[in-house]
Amino acid sequence: DAGVTQSPTHLIKTRGQQVTLRCSPKSGHDTVSWYQQALGQGPQFIFQYYEEEERQRGNFPDRFSGHQFPNYSSELNVNALLLGDSALYLCASSRFNSPLHFGNGTRLTVT
Amino acid sequence: AQSVTQLGSHVSVSEGALVLLRCNYSSSVPPYLFWYVQYPNQGLQLLLKYTSAATLVKGINGFEAEFKKSETSFHLTKPSAHMSDAAEYFCAVSGGRGDYKLSFGAGTTVTVRA
Repeated sequence: DAGVTQSPTHLIKTRGQQVTLRCSPKSGHDTVSWYQQALGQGPQFIFQYYEEEERQRGNFPDRFSGHQFPNYSSELNVNALLLGDSALYLCASSRFNSPLHFGNGTRLTVT
Repeated sequence: AQSVTQLGSHVSVSEGALVLLRCNYSSSVPPYLFWYVQYPNQGLQLLLKYTSAATLVKGINGFEAEFKKSETSFHLTKPSAHMSDAAEYFCAVSGGRGDYKLSFGAGTTVTVRA
């Protein structure tokens, strides 16, 4: 049973560029959440997708957007990258009120 | 709004000694509380969760936590540390009932000495 898979594992981008991160949820899960974890900090909630709609959003600017596909997979898009966007981006999936299952993350470095 | 504070960013214990990680929460509604562990270059793994059932919650790998409403605490313990317990531990809170986000603490890094 595959867990949550994220791609790519590492990514280097330049300030001002755009990036797309991808996530496949654990089998049987229909809800995907995205978190940003800066170095030495706890994860911060970006948003959650359910039934292809953004159900809840954290305190992140509109440069952060997402999408959920009919197969429940999801993308996180970040436009106009800033140096401060460098972080580990974690995807988590769940179903109903089950606890979150996290992927291993995508390490984004912005230079 | 819900939030958690983890007391102590680093904890060092000897192998076989008690592990105690402290977490205090703030919540305007009865909270759902969680402890997660993160090993290097990996995502977060759920250790245990409290969802208003028993106040003493047992988790995986010998960890347990006790919910104390009077102290707004949810401290994590393990009676005997093992070298494999070296990792970063995060306490998190959710309001549940329509509040889907987890709010995490800053984390506590555990080092286990041989």
